[in-house]
Amino acid sequence: RKEVEQDPGPFNVPEGATVAFNCTYSNSASQSFFWYRQDCRKEPKLLMSVYSSGNEDGRFTAQLNRASQYISLLIRDSKLSDSATYLCVVNNFGNEKLTFGTGTRLTIIP
Amino acid sequence: DTAVSQTPKYLVTQMGNDKSIKCEQNLGHDTMYWYKQDSKKFLKIMFSYNNKELIINETVPNRFSPKSPDKAHLNLHINSLELGDSAVYFCASSQGTGAYYEQYFGPGTRLTVT
Repeated sequence: RKEVEQDPGPFNVPEGATVAFNCTYSNSASQSFFWYRQDCRKEPKLLMSVYSSGNEDGRFTAQLNRASQYISLLIRDSKLSDSATYLCVVNNFGNEKLTFGTGTRLTIIP
Repeated sequence: DTAVSQTPKYLVTQMGNDKSIKCEQNLGHDTMYWYKQDSKKFLKIMFSYNNKELIINETVPNRFSPKSPDKAHLNLHINSLELGDSAVYFCASSQGTGAYYEQYFGPGTRLTVT
């Protein structure tokens, strides 16, 4: 089983819709969680960290479910500029490396 | 201002050659990384340095040798290039080595081995 698993998509979603992705992780000792965004032929950039209580940043909401070992990302009122690959990232306390999922590709359709 | 920069951006070379990729960060960060992103877009860490000291060395062929002359620079030298080395190589940096530090990525070096 992969350490971090994501549905690769692609998700083709009309502008203005709400879309949600899940990501599962295999190590129950994982401590920190992130969503990174990667545009085509560009570098990954941090979108948001994921906190135990869940957190929101504008149209984006991230949640963590430790019992089921998954994190989610919800995008409301999607914009054309949201088209990108969304990478789920997990880090285990005491282990300095980030483990990336393979990403979920999202395309927002006008 | 470019926070994490890499040179070259594109590198096309033949099998068997030796090549280097350079990375510099002007963020004042202590920790730098090399990642490889293959054709399936899977991003995997290769090496990490903290204050010029190697702290992560994943299962990477010893043809790959990182060098950190100072904490603002982390270079990657690759000997005897193989077709399977074709990928995008990203350099990244973070303020520290803890689990909660954001990593800032460079623009990537697209390596093609023919």
